[in-house]
Amino acid sequence: GQNIDQPTEMTATEGAIVQINCTYQTSGFNGLFWYQQHAGEAPTFLSYNVLDGLEEKGRFSSFLSRSKGYSYLLLKELQMKDSASYLCVKYSSASKIIFGSGTRLSIRP
Amino acid sequence: DVKVTQSSRYLVKRTGEKVFLECVQDMDHENMFWYRQDPGLGLRLIYFSYDVKMKEKGDIPEGYSVSREKKERFSLILESASTNQTSMYLCASTQGNEKLLFGSGTQLSVL
Repeated sequence: GQNIDQPTEMTATEGAIVQINCTYQTSGFNGLFWYQQHAGEAPTFLSYNVLDGLEEKGRFSSFLSRSKGYSYLLLKELQMKDSASYLCVKYSSASKIIFGSGTRLSIRP
Repeated sequence: DVKVTQSSRYLVKRTGEKVFLECVQDMDHENMFWYRQDPGLGLRLIYFSYDVKMKEKGDIPEGYSVSREKKERFSLILESASTNQTSMYLCASTQGNEKLLFGSGTQLSVL
């Protein structure tokens, strides 16, 4: 199938590091997006991985292993405003973009 | 700033009404999408358009239709609104395999 699996909820402490994992079916894979979505708002783009390895962008990094069908989003120096849902999204083609159900991240002081 | 604009942030309609949700993008993108998002279900694709007057059904097209008469505008139509269409509706656009850009969403309540 085209399922994307990511944890439903995670909790972390302000200032700490958290890693959100995502696994997906490898067939038809052409890219992996991560989006952030605050409650009641639209998703906003965080990162896009096409090749294996780590992409770093400020406090956020995203990793991809195409052979394993695995990605993670790493958030460092957590801030309260990072409390949000994080969506793992597999891109196969313009007509085949599959969204995970999202990981709701709660940051505690 | 490039953007995707949805005409309404909140909308309340009655059962049986015809509802139009409008979406406009200013990036000359070919591809436009309509999703709905419900708690616990994630984003589900209603319809996708890859060019003017071209459309494809998504995962949940029943009860919806779309119109794309101009490249920048993609409209979602609920022919006869029902309570189970109460949801957050999100429009998005993209070019090729570039990132999806979303509008701010329309929270539709059907009473």
